[in-house]
Amino acid sequence: ETGVTQTPRHLVMGMTNKKSLKCEQHLGHNAMYWYKQSAKKPLELMFVYNFKEQTENNSVPSRFSPECPNSSHLFLHLHTLQPEDSALYLCASSPRPGGAYNEQFFGPGTRLTVL
Amino acid sequence: RKEVEQDPGPFNVPEGATVAFNCTYSNSASQSFFWYRQDCRKEPKLLMSVYSSGNEDGRFTAQLNRASQYISLLIRDSKLSDSATYLCVVNEGTSGSRLTFGEGTQLTVNP
Repeated sequence: ETGVTQTPRHLVMGMTNKKSLKCEQHLGHNAMYWYKQSAKKPLELMFVYNFKEQTENNSVPSRFSPECPNSSHLFLHLHTLQPEDSALYLCASSPRPGGAYNEQFFGPGTRLTVL
Repeated sequence: RKEVEQDPGPFNVPEGATVAFNCTYSNSASQSFFWYRQDCRKEPKLLMSVYSSGNEDGRFTAQLNRASQYISLLIRDSKLSDSATYLCVVNEGTSGSRLTFGEGTQLTVNP
């Protein structure tokens, strides 16, 4: 049973649409992350938030816009996406921003298809 | 060179077999190491952390060799439920939580 939830689980959108992905963690963690998992590729880190502040943007295109209103919630706003952005988007959280063995716990992901 | 490189697989083994997965990492400053398991169309879940002295959890044994920058996972007496993709994961440093994932090694355990 995961303490990290994501909605929606599936999303189909056109290239001109604007949509948002939502992540909520119920674990009392202080760090949250967005990852992208494309077919036959390793997970790619997109953004890191520590105590609501963005600490890492892994050269992500501006058509992806994250928002972290508090330590428990994380959003990923999407606009004018491309078909190659179709992937599984995973949210994760960890107890603290850094340190060794700071294990991350993943949500079930949103499977995004851009038409 | 990939930052985290795993056996390409896939591995197909019979129930009860012992199977080992290997992983190498390129950043010698890496601080912590994990094996995650990912079932088809599901999220990754932590299987075990890998400590310097090696550690065991039931049928699973993880080893770390810092000098060779090498991590391994051994599964003994494999079960059908062990079928999944196994991800080698490395934390780059103590100042952050940047996890770098390998591409994964797919395991199928056959009856």
